[in-house]
Amino acid sequence: QKEVEQNSGPLSVPEGAIASLNCTYSDRGSQSFFWYRQYSGKSPELIMFIYSNGDKEDGRFTAQLNKASQYVSLLIRDSQPSDSATYLCAVNLRGQNFVFGPGTRLSVLP
Amino acid sequence: EPEVTQTPSHQVTQMGQEVILRCVPISNHLYFYWYRQILGQKVEFLVSFYNNEISEKSEIFDDQFSVERPDGSNFTLKIRSTKLEDSAMYFCASSEVGSSYGYTFGSGTRLTVV
Repeated sequence: QKEVEQNSGPLSVPEGAIASLNCTYSDRGSQSFFWYRQYSGKSPELIMFIYSNGDKEDGRFTAQLNKASQYVSLLIRDSQPSDSATYLCAVNLRGQNFVFGPGTRLSVLP
Repeated sequence: EPEVTQTPSHQVTQMGQEVILRCVPISNHLYFYWYRQILGQKVEFLVSFYNNEISEKSEIFDDQFSVERPDGSNFTLKIRSTKLEDSAMYFCASSEVGSSYGYTFGSGTRLTVV
């Protein structure tokens, strides 16, 4: 069973703080990992992807991957109220399809 | 910025009716997908389409479902004999080079079966 797990939240952080979102996956053959943001009633929007162990930074976002622990995380620095959304972790095992996690709801408090 | 366009944004249909959900992928993209999200649940893969044929499909994508690229721009999902449990948000997505760099999702069609 290919599962992707995330804490449902809500995760509440004050404006300007670092938000840390976590994701675990069950299949060791998973090859690539994606973070999407989804505002209520809207479609998922790609934030970033990561393939290799370690960190990948893009602006205020850093993705971290640890394949040995089957763990991927997303850090959001200097969180803004506009970052309040549900963050979806998606995993590509092989082929073209993604397995999505249930998402973590983030609330950034002004 | 290029967009994936979906129509209609909301469709209400009676149980047992057929619906066609329409998508216009980004013009230079070669891979097309349908996903669905039942309210409050995960985004779930339905089908991927490349080179005018289905490349992968999930267990959800049974004989009730079909996809088609009727012309050079549209990509459609047909649901025959809709059931109440088909009520969901249906997202079309496209990508240029498969899943390597992620997909661009359309804004979705909310399907309500009554």
